[in-house]
Amino acid sequence: NAGVTQTPKFQVLKTGQSMTLQCAQDMNHEYMSWYRQDPGMGLRLIHYSVGAGITDQGEVPNGYNVSRSTTEDFPLRLLSAAPSQTSVYFCASSKETPSSYNSPLHFGNGTRLTVT
Amino acid sequence: AQTVTQSQPEMSVQEAETVTLSCTYDTSESDYYLFWYKQPPSRQMILVIRQEAYKQQNATENRFSVNFQKAAKSFSLKISDSQLGDAAMYFCAYDRNDKIIFGKGTRLHILP
Repeated sequence: NAGVTQTPKFQVLKTGQSMTLQCAQDMNHEYMSWYRQDPGMGLRLIHYSVGAGITDQGEVPNGYNVSRSTTEDFPLRLLSAAPSQTSVYFCASSKETPSSYNSPLHFGNGTRLTVT
Repeated sequence: AQTVTQSQPEMSVQEAETVTLSCTYDTSESDYYLFWYKQPPSRQMILVIRQEAYKQQNATENRFSVNFQKAAKSFSLKISDSQLGDAAMYFCAYDRNDKIIFGKGTRLHILP
């Protein structure tokens, strides 16, 4: 079972460059989300989606765009990378909303992004 | 805005002993959900336990149990009979309307 797949695992960008972090799940999950994890800050929600065609902002959405054209994919776009976006990024999905019984979040293995 | 506070950045416990991790949260809502997630060195996040706010009964999962105090907005995690495999970062999380907000985490060390 692939679960939640994030690519790439590591990425180095220069300030001002753009890139897309990929996230795909093969569990037919409706809910998907992106978090960033920084030392001493825990996980902070960037964007989330409750289904194809629907996205919403989390706690720290500035500098990031998302789209959800299919159930399986939820890419995160950095339009103009900044050093403050250096972080580990996690994609997560769940069958229904995460609060539903037996619908825990499934996390990918993370993408470590460095912006110089 | 909802916030989740974990006041203990690090804790240590002797193997086979019991440890309690603290979590408080701030909300004006009456209906919400709370979670504890575990992140071992592999970085994979694992759901430990889940609590519905409308349930007064504390959730339990094997060696893991919570003390949910709704009026005090407190949600602590008790780990009984601690094992070496319990060593990890533990995150408390709050969910209302599909936004899951995490605390900053508590790193738990298990001493053999």
